[in-house]
Amino acid sequence: DVKVTQSSRYLVKRTGEKVFLECVQDMDHENMFWYRQDPGLGLRLIYFSYDVKMKEKGDIPEGYSVSREKKERFSLILESASTNQTSMYLCATTKARAIRQETQYFGPGTRLLVL
Amino acid sequence: AQKITQTQPGMFVQEKEAVTLDCTYDTSDQSYGLFWYKQPSSGEMIFLIYQGSYDEQNATEGRYSLNFQKARKSANLVISASQLGDSAMYFCAMREPWNDMRFGAGTRLTVKP
Repeated sequence: DVKVTQSSRYLVKRTGEKVFLECVQDMDHENMFWYRQDPGLGLRLIYFSYDVKMKEKGDIPEGYSVSREKKERFSLILESASTNQTSMYLCATTKARAIRQETQYFGPGTRLLVL
Repeated sequence: AQKITQTQPGMFVQEKEAVTLDCTYDTSDQSYGLFWYKQPSSGEMIFLIYQGSYDEQNATEGRYSLNFQKARKSANLVISASQLGDSAMYFCAMREPWNDMRFGAGTRLTVKP
């Protein structure tokens, strides 16, 4: 079974703090994704990575950065947290982007509250 | 651009009855995949069912089936014999080869005892 873990289930931070969210997968998947989930908006893609040290912007990259130094680990960084970044953050992985039937495997999510 | 529409923010169903969750999509590609995920209150997204655009038969997985109407670009999820544990958010998603998965806004299903 694919296992995707996220460093925290719940996180409370103050405005202006630097926040790190970490995602680790154990299935040797090339592709990793960070989404944020907000009521009525579904999941929106922030960043993704298809290889070590590679990253691509998704739909809403502003205010975020990512790091992928090792294949199994994909970090999301909020350089200076703001209250509008309060959200649920989901990490996902998939083996092959080319295959349309390849599902994504998700971590348990991190609920971030920025005060 | 891909777009997924789920028009039902919330749905209620009586236990043991069937329920249909609507999903329409928009794509100009001929090759694509359609997915449904369940998200319980715990937060984790659980893959339920997949339908390929070239599949002629509707996908089924246990109590889940996907009512795929290609000409209408709809991919509705049907849950038969609802259980209390089916109460959750349900997301429809679509993926084209080499493109990223796109999700709808979700439908919150509540199963009443």
